[in-house]
Amino acid sequence: NAGVTQTPKFQVLKTGQSMTLQCAQDMNHNSMYWYRQDPGMGLRLIYYSASEGTTDKGEVPNGYNVSRLNKREFSLRLESAAPSQTSVYFCASSEAGGNYGYTFGSGTRLTVV
Amino acid sequence: RKEVEQDPGPFNVPEGATVAFNCTYSNSASQSFFWYRQDCRKEPKLLMSVYSSGNEDGRFTAQLNRASQYISLLIRDSKLSDSATYLCVVNLYSSASKIIFGSGTRLSIRP
Repeated sequence: NAGVTQTPKFQVLKTGQSMTLQCAQDMNHNSMYWYRQDPGMGLRLIYYSASEGTTDKGEVPNGYNVSRLNKREFSLRLESAAPSQTSVYFCASSEAGGNYGYTFGSGTRLTVV
Repeated sequence: RKEVEQDPGPFNVPEGATVAFNCTYSNSASQSFFWYRQDCRKEPKLLMSVYSSGNEDGRFTAQLNRASQYISLLIRDSKLSDSATYLCVVNLYSSASKIIFGSGTRLSIRP
């Protein structure tokens, strides 16, 4: 019963480096999301994919790109990391529309120095 | 004004106490509501949905007041294991992009 699997769990990047965060779900959910969580600011939506083949910007998309590789996988890419992207990143999935709640991955703690 | 507001706490209460949190939301078109629990350095996990008529799950009771635009969570007979941050979540328009998370209320239960 894996649910939502995120990799890596921890990462340290230098400013300007790139990386891809991987996310996979095995619940046959249509919708997938990437959030970042910063102290005192709650979870903020970066990008989401309402269904396979579609992606849309959320509240804070600048500096990120995403790929919905198939129904199971949704990756987040930082092309040129900046210290402001130091955060905890969560992938989540849900039935369409999120009316039944989300299932989250265990998170990626990213530090950009 | 934030779309979803919560008292950040921390609430520090003795084991066995009853504690209640409120969460207010600004958009009257909001359609579904949830409480999530997040332990330190862990992912949020769904605690319960909030229904218009109110609902209960063991020691936890959730209520919705659409007229005043707030939801509440009541925890009875609190346990040490209830210590966590509780996130209020509001879904506008049943849209994937319109799910708003509150910043969370931190609860600490002392022996």
